[in-house]
Amino acid sequence: GAVVSQHPSWVICKSGTSVKIECRSLDFQATTMFWYRQFPKQSLMLMATSNEGSKATYEQGVEKDKFLINHASLTLSTLTVTSAHPEDSSFYICSGRDYNYEQYFGPGTRLTVT
Amino acid sequence: GNSVTQMEGPVTLSEEAFLTINCTYTATGYPSLFWYVQYPGEGLQLLLKATKADDKGSNKGFEATYRKETTSFHLEKGSVQVSDSAVYFCALSPGGATNKLIFGTGTLLAVQP
Repeated sequence: GAVVSQHPSWVICKSGTSVKIECRSLDFQATTMFWYRQFPKQSLMLMATSNEGSKATYEQGVEKDKFLINHASLTLSTLTVTSAHPEDSSFYICSGRDYNYEQYFGPGTRLTVT
Repeated sequence: GNSVTQMEGPVTLSEEAFLTINCTYTATGYPSLFWYVQYPGEGLQLLLKATKADDKGSNKGFEATYRKETTSFHLEKGSVQVSDSAVYFCALSPGGATNKLIFGTGTLLAVQP
């Protein structure tokens, strides 16, 4: 099946700093990528939907100025958590959708803000 | 609104036991329903899906039937293996161009030899 990678797999940063997470589709073109957030023992919550070359669409309650999403190419999307705080600590997962509308998920990135 | 409720885990079974993981949903319109599986250290993978009422999705010995009358999509397998140990997520897509997925909380399955 199609493969999506995320980098880094885990990151620790200090409060007030920014951190960037990359999501790459390795063997297919993803016209749409999705970013999810997962809290322990809770479901994946969709944060935003991004289409290549256009602005992301954020779900209600997600701060677009805090979670910057860029989808500059058909194989790369990035999520930047700006001015991170401990409450931003979470597991972030991306997925890419191919032309057949199948979603393929990355392995996730564990963010810890100290 | 749209939501998915699935049974809490962990579910611990012996090898060759019968598996059922319950999933019910609330949705407006006619959603598609999915089961995803996440093996340790890997991303979610689509296990099976059903796009309309009474459809049965099946894969790798797992089955689930889209029951509109009970708004359910329970996952079953007749004989589990140790290699089935993973987290299972039930999800729905309300439909439309965005293809959004709404997930349940996930159920950890542990199969013991």
